[in-house]
Amino acid sequence: EVQLVESGGGLVQPGGSLRLSCAASGFTFGRDYMTWVRQAPGKGLEWVATINQDGSEKRYVDSVKGRFTISRDNAKKSLYLQMNSLRDDDTAVYYCARLRVPATMSPFDYWGQGTQVTVSS
Amino acid sequence: DIQMTQSPSTLSASVGDRVTITCRASQSITNWLAWYQQKPGKAPKLVIYKASSLESGVPSRFSGSGSGTEFTLTISSLQPDDFATYYCQQYNSSPWTFGQGTKVEVK
Repeated sequence: EVQLVESGGGLVQPGGSLRLSCAASGFTFGRDYMTWVRQAPGKGLEWVATINQDGSEKRYVDSVKGRFTISRDNAKKSLYLQMNSLRDDDTAVYYCARLRVPATMSPFDYWGQGTQVTVSS
Repeated sequence: DIQMTQSPSTLSASVGDRVTITCRASQSITNWLAWYQQKPGKAPKLVIYKASSLESGVPSRFSGSGSGTEFTLTISSLQPDDFATYYCQQYNSSPWTFGQGTKVEVK
């Protein structure tokens, strides 16, 4: 059974940093593209970042470029999102998800349960 | 960026109803479109991919159609478990973008 479990969320002040983790199991992690999607309170879904199998290709939504870094450790079957210079509008539930096929033209077929990030003073 | 617009934003329906949700893209995305179902406090669930392909395990009452810029999600006979919010998503090009969501509520 495919499982994705996020951790690392919490309350942080504006300008602060957080590192989210996503532990994967039930599939060959190193073969798949992975992604982060967020959802602000009461709002819709927003794609944040995607990484390919070996980490050589990374893409970001413009609003997080230069502040967030997606990475992965295939040996540990883990995905990460390093978030720096956090702003109030980064407050959201952050989901990790797997791309259905190992290519950028792919929907997200498995999602974690999400981890809450709250940016507030 | 490709903008995705869903209509309606809210849909009131009864069990057994046929329900249709529309999603329009600001430019052609061929058929690189997915539909997700999300229930309160839960992660989204993939329902349809490549505009009309049913994800494994999803009931056959769900169907998708369309290409280019206009797409629809249809639930042929609404069941109690189907009351949720539905999002379309284009994965034709980065940044991948979602529609604003359609909430299917009890009439």
